[in-house]
Amino acid sequence: AQSVTQLDSQVPVFEEAPVELRCNYSSSVSVYLFWYVQYPNQGLQLLLKYLSGSTLVKGINGFEAEFNKSQTSFHLRKPSVHISDTAEYFCAVSARNNDMRFGAGTRLTVKP
Amino acid sequence: GAVVSQHPSWVICKSGTSVKIECRSLDFQATTMFWYRQFPKQSLMLMATSNEGSKATYEQGVEKDKFLINHASLTLSTLTVTSAHPEDSSFYICSARLQGTGVSYEQYFGPGTRLTVT
Repeated sequence: AQSVTQLDSQVPVFEEAPVELRCNYSSSVSVYLFWYVQYPNQGLQLLLKYLSGSTLVKGINGFEAEFNKSQTSFHLRKPSVHISDTAEYFCAVSARNNDMRFGAGTRLTVKP
Repeated sequence: GAVVSQHPSWVICKSGTSVKIECRSLDFQATTMFWYRQFPKQSLMLMATSNEGSKATYEQGVEKDKFLINHASLTLSTLTVTSAHPEDSSFYICSARLQGTGVSYEQYFGPGTRLTVT
């Protein structure tokens, strides 16, 4: 079975600073990796996904993530954050035809 | 494309009553739908996986008689919380997986349903 660990439960940053949200996964088979964002009382919005191919994946809202197979990581980055990026971010892993497993979430708070 | 809706978006019910939540894939067919629940400030926990035309598969610890799931068509799955109690109050989110894409196994999520049991 797959599992996901998000290493930081909360990440406070100042506006326009860079940010990295860390995610490590565990799986004995090839996986697909995802980052979702959740705003209060809303569902999940897909930021980006890694299925195969290039290990650097670009998503919406200026986010990107890099798949590192040797380190089993899929960290999310943004070079300059905005107040509107304040939200909960979830890393998720899925294997072919299996269900999706989520990390515990990272609360990103962008301060002015 | 790939929009999933949920209805209602929020519901308040009295303890002991039953509540039905609908999950619809609006512009695609989904052989598989998933139901999650999320407690405040926590992650999503998978409750069950439902496949069209067959019985749902429940995760360990989820009472199948309490959380009834029906996946009657390729675009509709329902979750009924029977004899609801205050501890069932939560945010319920469904997701749907595209049928036969063979490309990815991405799930598309609904906006969630906030259930409050008084």
